[in-house]
Amino acid sequence: GAVVSQHPSWVICKSGTSVKIECRSLDFQATTMFWYRQFPKQSLMLMATSNEGSKATYEQGVEKDKFLINHASLTLSTLTVTSAHPEDSSFYICSARLAGGPEQYFGPGTRLTVT
Amino acid sequence: KQEVTQIPAALSVPEGENLVLNCSFTDSAIYNLQWFRQDPGKGLTSLLLIQSSQREQTSGRLNASLDKSSGRSTLYIAASQPGDSATYLCAVEPYNFNKFYFGSGTKLNVKP
Repeated sequence: GAVVSQHPSWVICKSGTSVKIECRSLDFQATTMFWYRQFPKQSLMLMATSNEGSKATYEQGVEKDKFLINHASLTLSTLTVTSAHPEDSSFYICSARLAGGPEQYFGPGTRLTVT
Repeated sequence: KQEVTQIPAALSVPEGENLVLNCSFTDSAIYNLQWFRQDPGKGLTSLLLIQSSQREQTSGRLNASLDKSSGRSTLYIAASQPGDSATYLCAVEPYNFNKFYFGSGTKLNVKP
């Protein structure tokens, strides 16, 4: 149980375009989802916390207009990287938390390359 | 702000050795601490979660302990195997924050 999926697993896009990444909790309802990015050989950096039906809470230094997060249902959150640039190339990982539970479950990640 | 540190950054051991990975955090008011494993290019796999009221958790060859007063957690791996080679990350959730702070990880290599 407690499986989280991400789609796509990897994506290449041209500079200036937008990319949407989906995060789904497959067998549980997630009231909270988290979005992280990870640069090569570095740890995870929390970008934002997303609660179903409300606006996401962004970490300091993360541009909310560039990284649009939508948490429309208890099983789906999306991250849209708008007007992507090469410096946005990274590994994006989401996690989900069971309602009332302490543990977070991670998706397999999405590798974004902006050319 | 919670700071999480993991030592060592990298560790190479021969197969069969018992080993300890360390995680320290600056603020002892935590809700829980979670250990993860990450294989190259992959997401995170949860290994063990210790809630603030607990002192340790065990799963197979893994044992994680938590000492909130000293701001430390250790992950003990018994009888290491080449398949244990990965990066191990610890994450701390402070009370009333609903967010997690990650350490920089320990990259483990178990040599056959």
